[in-house]
Amino acid sequence: QSVLTQPPSVSGAPGHMVTISCTGSTSNIGAIYDVHWYQQLPGAVPKLLIYGNFNRPSGVPDRFSGSKSGSSASLAITGLQAEDEADYYCQSYDSSLDGVVFGGGTTLTVL
Amino acid sequence: QVHLVESGGGVVERGGSLRLSCVASGFTFSSYGMHWVRRAPGKGPEWVAFIRSDGSIKYYGDSLKGRVTISRDNSKNTLYLQMNSLRAEDTGVYSCAKDLLVETDAPASAYDFWGQGTLVTVSS
Repeated sequence: QSVLTQPPSVSGAPGHMVTISCTGSTSNIGAIYDVHWYQQLPGAVPKLLIYGNFNRPSGVPDRFSGSKSGSSASLAITGLQAEDEADYYCQSYDSSLDGVVFGGGTTLTVL
Repeated sequence: QVHLVESGGGVVERGGSLRLSCVASGFTFSSYGMHWVRRAPGKGPEWVAFIRSDGSIKYYGDSLKGRVTISRDNSKNTLYLQMNSLRAEDTGVYSCAKDLLVETDAPASAYDFWGQGTLVTVSS
């Protein structure tokens, strides 16, 4: 059972939008700690997609955006493309555990 | 170009030990905190440990706390993970990961680079 809760799967048609939620608590997302998002393609290592709740590293398309509200965060992907099919993970810091926590991951299927 | 190359994994019996290494290149290793993260088969990432850029601060995840020690040799651009009293549930791919931000004191930063990892298999 992960400290950060993500839906196991989401799906959407090409060109459409999906959002992936990441729900935590007052000791992680609901505190001062940032949320980061990663994309993991099959057979690859995770790639940083969003850092500090809403910042995109250079090279990440603006179709990907992040937000945070209260004890939850969201990753939105617009203009879905087949290449977006991957697993997505959220990450934060938890003050009760004094360490890093990840979500259980969400598998995105582009229909 | 940043490269992180892990080694030292293998098959070990329950209760055994392993020392993992991660050789870094393409950035100023001594300026960045580093992490070990593991990925068990069919599961998401699980954070293992963090070490500050100068090695003075260390944090450990609960699942391996007391059984692992993270260290680094900045003169060799190398990160280590000493793993003891290994259990079957420790099986997985262990990757090193680089902090996005310089000289962090706590493991709250994102990771901008991950190594491919080294496979640890604990046989029971």
